[in-house]
Amino acid sequence: GDSVTQMEGPVTLSEEAFLTINCTYTATGYPSLFWYVQYPGEGLQLLLKATKADDKGSNKGFEATYRKETTSFHLEKGSVQVSDSAVYFCAQLNTGNQFYFGTGTSLTVIP
Amino acid sequence: DSGVTQTPKHLITATGQRVTLRCSPRSGDLSVYWYQQSLDQGLQFLIQYYNGEERAKGNILERFSAQQFPDLHSELNLSSLELGDSALYFCASSSQAGVRETQYFGPGTRLLVL
Repeated sequence: GDSVTQMEGPVTLSEEAFLTINCTYTATGYPSLFWYVQYPGEGLQLLLKATKADDKGSNKGFEATYRKETTSFHLEKGSVQVSDSAVYFCAQLNTGNQFYFGTGTSLTVIP
Repeated sequence: DSGVTQTPKHLITATGQRVTLRCSPRSGDLSVYWYQQSLDQGLQFLIQYYNGEERAKGNILERFSAQQFPDLHSELNLSSLELGDSALYFCASSSQAGVRETQYFGPGTRLLVL
């Protein structure tokens, strides 16, 4: 069945370090792909999305490219800040309009 | 602030009981989605309503049910509660029902079943 797999955390980085959080998906058809972020005590917020192959989603310095050939949607940021500390969820929306989320990756950025 | 509101913020109840969680979507949004977030299962899609009609169903137990009212608010009813139902329940809304619609999440209701 459809699913999303993302790298397990927690991830701890120093400020200004490079971030990569891996995400791969399995799907029948061509899903839309998303990254959501959850700050402590809050609900999920859409970070970025891509709706077709080779699309690049970007927001707040984060970016991810929809790679159909590797069924991946890895999240990257060139220089993380303390304020980026949160839990990041990769998700797919399949053609049946059902969302599947990864288990989340906790990121802590230390000054 | 996403514009989606959920009440109550916290709920503590006992096994076997029934509770109702409420969600008000963003102004103008017609679709409402319910999710369950637990430590062992992660974030799971439960069900979606669009303009009062059920549109998509995920991993929702038979003990759970939902509805969307004419004013577009939605309620998630959880009955015969078990310890394992303790989780954070999120509601999200979007303007339409179609694929690829961006969803906006509420702050969640934290349910603790004792």
